[in-house]
Amino acid sequence: GESVGLHLPTLSVQEGDNSIINCAYSNSASDYFIWYKQESGKGPQFIIDIRSNMDKRQGQRVTVLLNKTVKHLSLQIAATQPGDSAVYFCAENTRGSYIPTFGRGTSLIVHP
Amino acid sequence: ETGVTQSPTHLIKTRGQQVTLRCSSQSGHNTVSWYQQALGQGPQFIFQYYREEENGRGNFPPRFSGLQFPNYSSELNVNALELDDSALYLCASSLGGATEAFFGQGTRLTVV
Repeated sequence: GESVGLHLPTLSVQEGDNSIINCAYSNSASDYFIWYKQESGKGPQFIIDIRSNMDKRQGQRVTVLLNKTVKHLSLQIAATQPGDSAVYFCAENTRGSYIPTFGRGTSLIVHP
Repeated sequence: ETGVTQSPTHLIKTRGQQVTLRCSSQSGHNTVSWYQQALGQGPQFIFQYYREEENGRGNFPPRFSGLQFPNYSSELNVNALELDDSALYLCASSLGGATEAFFGQGTRLTVV
C-alpha cells in the first residue's frame, strides 16, 4: 500500500558539518509534508513543513526540499550540533486530511 | 514544553487486562489525536477526536477506544491487552484543522 519511508536508518556526522536526511513517499495524493524531531524519552517535535506547491522552504538552520517528480523529501540541517542528535521523521498528509502518516525514522548521531 | 501532558508516564500491565491512558491537550486546542509507537518505528495513527466526537480512525481493532471530554482532555482505553500492545502511546493536540500538532511525552506501556 501507500507508505512513507526513509532511505537511511542511521546517520553519523561530525559537529559543525551539514546533515541531510532523506525521505521517499509513494502516495501521489500527498500534498503536505512535515519533519519531526524526536529526542529520547520525548514526543515528536515539529521542525518544519512544506506544501506540495513549493519545492523549498527554509527555517532556522533547517531547509526542506521537495521533489514531487520523484516523490522525494529531504531535511538539511546546517552546522549540525550535538543537540540535534535525535530520530527524525518525515510525515505526509493527503489532501483534505489532517492526520499525518509517519515514516520509520532516521537516527541522527552528532559526534563532538 | 508543548503544554500537552500525558499520564501515567510508564505502566506495566498483564495480558488480558484493560488500561486507560490520559491526555490533557494544550490550552485552546480542541482536537486530540492518539498514536502508537512501537520501538524503532514511527508513530501509527489510532484515532482523532474533535469536539468530543471521533473524527477519523486508523487500522486498529475495536478494543482500542477513546473519549474526549468537554474540556478537550482525552482518554485512550485498550481492552484485552496483548503483548504486541507494548509501545509508547502518544497524544497530540491541535486547533481544529490546523496542521501543526503538539505532542505529549507519551506513556510507555509494557504488557507482560
